Amino acid sequence: GENVEQHPSTLSVQEGDSAVIKCTYSDSASNYFPWYKQELGKRPQLIIDIRSNVGEKKDQRIAVTLNKTAKHFSLHITETQPEDSAVYFCAAQGGSYIPTFGRGTSLIVHP
Amino acid sequence: DTGVSQDPRHKITKRGQNVTFRCDPISEHNRLYWYRQTLGQGPEFLTYFQNEAQLEKSRLLSDRFSAERPKGSFSTLEIQRTEQGDSAMYLCASSPSGTLNYGYTFGSGTRLTVV
Repeated sequence: GENVEQHPSTLSVQEGDSAVIKCTYSDSASNYFPWYKQELGKRPQLIIDIRSNVGEKKDQRIAVTLNKTAKHFSLHITETQPEDSAVYFCAAQGGSYIPTFGRGTSLIVHP
Repeated sequence: DTGVSQDPRHKITKRGQNVTFRCDPISEHNRLYWYRQTLGQGPEFLTYFQNEAQLEKSRLLSDRFSAERPKGSFSTLEIQRTEQGDSAMYLCASSPSGTLNYGYTFGSGTRLTVV
């Protein structure tokens, strides 16, 4: 089955800095890569996604890149703000329509 | 439709008791998923429905767990003879169906504590 590795497990940045979270996947059949943000005590929420026919996607301060050859994808957050503090999960989905999640990255943005 | 609803939000039960959780997905979403999440971990897949059909069930799921989705609308997850290791957040999610993958809309979860 699919295996998704996510790094780092904790990321601490100063407000205004950029943050990068990286994930690798094992199944070359995976074709959809969503990212979820989970604030403390709340539900995970989809913040951005990318399909395998695209190399990069941006939405305001967040962007995701995908390297299919290397089987890795990354989340980039620019100009971080304290409200970006949360746990971020990457996931990989293929023909089963069931995502495999990474173990999460706790992002802490210091004011 | 305000999203995915789960009930109850919290459940405390004694070891050995049965519990049942309910999930109401977004009405247009045919796919429904149950996940379990423990502190510091990512969501762990339990089971998946396409309409009323249960298409996938985690091999890690013991036979004490059962899920239904009668009529392809709401779903229930039952845990029989609960154990302390069942304590976790149980998340329901739904997504549109089709040939493409789509992201999930998660419910707020049911937090189960087995004492």
